[in-house]
Amino acid sequence: SAVISQKPSRDICQRGTSLTIQCQVDSQVTMMFWYRQQPGQSLTLIATANQGSEATYESGFVIDKFPISRPNLTFSTLTVSNMSPEDSSIYLCSVESGSQYFGPGTRLLVL
Amino acid sequence: AQRVTQPEKLLSVFKGAPVELKCNYSYSGSPELFWYVQYSRQRLQLLLRHISRESIKGFTADLNKGETSFHLKKPFAQEEDSAMYYCALRKFSGGYNKLIFGAGTRLAVHP
Repeated sequence: SAVISQKPSRDICQRGTSLTIQCQVDSQVTMMFWYRQQPGQSLTLIATANQGSEATYESGFVIDKFPISRPNLTFSTLTVSNMSPEDSSIYLCSVESGSQYFGPGTRLLVL
Repeated sequence: AQRVTQPEKLLSVFKGAPVELKCNYSYSGSPELFWYVQYSRQRLQLLLRHISRESIKGFTADLNKGETSFHLKKPFAQEEDSAMYYCALRKFSGGYNKLIFGAGTRLAVHP
């Protein structure tokens, strides 16, 4: 398995601002995934980040709104840009190491 | 389209009673299915996967391709089993694996 940490664990932001979430893994992994879990709902994949290439976004998610960086095999960031209250969610980082393992999540509240 | 359905939002049982959390899927290929669990204030974690055919914490799940189901079962529920359970389907798309999650079922085990 892989040990995954995320920063920040939670934040309260004003609409129109941006927040960058960091994800750190304790081992080198090829694929990293970013998910969103809106209140009372299941997990939805935002994008997949492969080191050395641009992230691949799922339907309904765009790079301008959720830019992702993947500078090396143990780290990734997700930025939530120009936030609105609808972006209030838990954002989770995940890696594949045999199966998929998840970080603790970043709980975001946009006012 | 690929889909995972968990028909029950909440399943409430008494300690010692049998538990079955339902999961049905639709997938055109050969499915790979997982159960994830999220205990209160903890991260999402893998419970079991169908290819392992294992029993974790007394839980088992059998893939039934005829009924396209992957129900999670435990003969005698314990209070510590109370948690949110997600069924997930792994599919290969665009050069990588990704997980499709069901809506989740909250299991409440009462003393």
